[in-house]
Amino acid sequence: DVQLVESGGALVRPGGSLRLSCVGSGFTLREYGMSWVRQAPGKGLEWVANIDLFGSERHYVDSVKGRFTISRDIATNSVFLQMNSLRAEDSALYYCARDTPNGGAADWGQGTLVTVSS
Amino acid sequence: DIQMTQSPSSLSAFVGDRVTIICRASQGIRHDLSWHQQLPGKAPKRLIYAASKLQSGVPSERFSGSGSETEFTLTIDNIQPEDFATYYCLQHNSYPRTFGQGTKVEIK
Repeated sequence: DVQLVESGGALVRPGGSLRLSCVGSGFTLREYGMSWVRQAPGKGLEWVANIDLFGSERHYVDSVKGRFTISRDIATNSVFLQMNSLRAEDSALYYCARDTPNGGAADWGQGTLVTVSS
Repeated sequence: DIQMTQSPSSLSAFVGDRVTIICRASQGIRHDLSWHQQLPGKAPKRLIYAASKLQSGVPSERFSGSGSETEFTLTIDNIQPEDFATYYCLQHNSYPRTFGQGTKVEIK
């Protein structure tokens, strides 16, 4: 079975940085793209970033471009989200998801909570 | 960016009812749409992909999806207590990927 486990969420001050991690099992990263999706408290889902199965193409929602970077490590089957210049509006539960070519976000982790506050 | 407009934003239904949720895309996205269920306090779970294909393990007698290009439908027949949740559509035709705003399905 596919399993995704996120970590790295924390309370951070505005302008600070955080690195989220997502370790996958039951599949290999070489064969799938991966996404990060966030959900602010009481709000809907917002797609944040994606890295393709080759690790060469990365895409971001406009609100995080230039501040967030998605990356991966094949050796540990992990995906990361480096978040810099954090703002209050970045506060959310961050999920990682495994993408499939025919239907995006096939599997989801349980999420890691990021709170940006002074 | 492709905008996904989901309706209604909420609805109430009796156990056993048929429920229909609609998602409209601001431009054609072929069949590049999935539906996700989120139970309270839980992570989302994909129910349907490629607009109409059922995820393994999802009850086929209750859940179905249809549509293409700009209009898509999620139908829940004979809705059961465990189906009361929030449902989201997601387009993966182009970046940035975008979700609908969600439909909260509550028990009447």
